[in-house]
Amino acid sequence: NAGVTQTPKFRVLKTGQSMTLLCAQDMNHEYMYWYRQDPGMGLRLIHYSVGEGTTAKGEVPDGYNVSRLKKQNFLLGLESAAPSQTSVYFCASKAGSLSPLHFGNGTRLTVT
Amino acid sequence: GQQVMQIPQYQHVQEGEDFTTYCNSSTTLSNIQWYKQRPGGHPVFLIQLVKSGEVKKQKRLTFQFGEAKKNSSLHITATQTTDVGTYFCARPSGSARQLTFGSGTQLTVLP
Repeated sequence: NAGVTQTPKFRVLKTGQSMTLLCAQDMNHEYMYWYRQDPGMGLRLIHYSVGEGTTAKGEVPDGYNVSRLKKQNFLLGLESAAPSQTSVYFCASKAGSLSPLHFGNGTRLTVT
Repeated sequence: GQQVMQIPQYQHVQEGEDFTTYCNSSTTLSNIQWYKQRPGGHPVFLIQLVKSGEVKKQKRLTFQFGEAKKNSSLHITATQTTDVGTYFCARPSGSARQLTFGSGTQLTVLP
């Protein structure tokens, strides 16, 4: 089992460019999450999904969109990147509401 | 709100010394989870505490959940260089659909 796979691992964008981060899990998990991690601020939830076809906003959703067309995939989109979106992005999944999170290896995004 | 305060933010210890990080909430928690993130890595689940006053051990790591279920601690006995990393507590929120993380305690172990 690969677990949670994130692509790409690194990306540099210019302000105003768009991109999509892909998260794939092979554990048949219902719940999937996108977090961003900035120094000294821990992990902040951007968006999440509790099942195929559903999405919901987290703590810091502005500037991001998500889609969960297939159970195993959760996409995070940046329509017009800003330098404030420079961060490390982690995808995570879990089986049920009380289950632990399984994280991907992260995507380091720099917006110049 | 549904935040968790975690202290200290940083801790430097000599190898062999003990280490403790604390997590505090203003509201009662249904459960609390602990994660470890190695430098350059991703968070990895360590343990979940559910019951009031619960104590769980994993080798040199001892996890406690307060009697009032508003605080938790992680204690490492005789730290080793392999313990280096950031330790996060996390609490459920939004009908347990979300997990809110503390800001973490970054542990440095000096050889």
